[in-house]
Amino acid sequence: DAKTTQPNSMESNEEEPVHLPCNHSTISGTDYIHWYRQLPSQGPEYVIHGLTSNVNNRMASLAIAEDRKSSTLILHRATLRDAAVYYCILTRNTGKLIFGQGTTLQVKP
Amino acid sequence: DTEVTQTPKHLVMGMTNKKSLKCEQHMGHRAMYWYKQKAKKPPELMFVYSYEKLSINESVPSRFSPECPNSSLLNLHLHALQPEDSALYLCASSQEVHTFSNQPQHFGDGTRLSIL
Repeated sequence: DAKTTQPNSMESNEEEPVHLPCNHSTISGTDYIHWYRQLPSQGPEYVIHGLTSNVNNRMASLAIAEDRKSSTLILHRATLRDAAVYYCILTRNTGKLIFGQGTTLQVKP
Repeated sequence: DTEVTQTPKHLVMGMTNKKSLKCEQHMGHRAMYWYKQKAKKPPELMFVYSYEKLSINESVPSRFSPECPNSSLLNLHLHALQPEDSALYLCASSQEVHTFSNQPQHFGDGTRLSIL
C-alpha cells in the first residue's frame, strides 16, 4: 500500500483558515485520497475524499496537485472543535484503510 | 452521534476471562471492520468482513475471534488476552468492499479494553 507523509503537528488560530499538507509520491492511478480526523475520545470521522479533481463539502475542501503526488486539506475557518488528529490515507479496492501517524492540529482561541 | 454503535464502552477483564465486544449498524452497509488502537497511535486494521464473510485477517492472534452473525452485527470474541491487548477497539462499516476505495468508512467510538 502506498504511504503518505504528514507533519506531526500544526497550530492555527480560531476562525482562520488551515491548510494541512500531505505528500504521497508513490500514489498509483487508481488510488483515492481520503482524509479522516479523530477527535479526543472518539472514533475516526470521515472528512473528504477525491481522485483527481478538487473537492468541496460542508466540512472542508480538498486540493489535489496536478501530478497527484500531494494534496492539501483546507479548513476554511478553524474552530476549537476542529482540534483533532487528521489522517491522510490512500485507498485501493483491498478493503484496507492504512492509517499513518497523522497531523495533530491545535486551534488557539 | 455515531451511526455505528459499539458496546460496551469500557471493559475490564482478567486474562482468563471470556468476553465479547459488539458492533451494530443499520445503514445497510455490507462491509464491516475491526481496528485496534493503542494510546497515541493510529488505528490498525484487524479484520474485514464482506457480505458476512471474513475477507481479511491481518495475522491477528487466535485469542481474538470475530463473528458476523448478520449484515448489521459484528462481534469480537475475546479469550485468554494478554495485558498488551489493552487498547481501544474500533468497529467501522462501509457500503461494499469492492467499491471500497471510493466509499468512506463510518466508525463507532470504540470499546476501551483493559486487561488485568
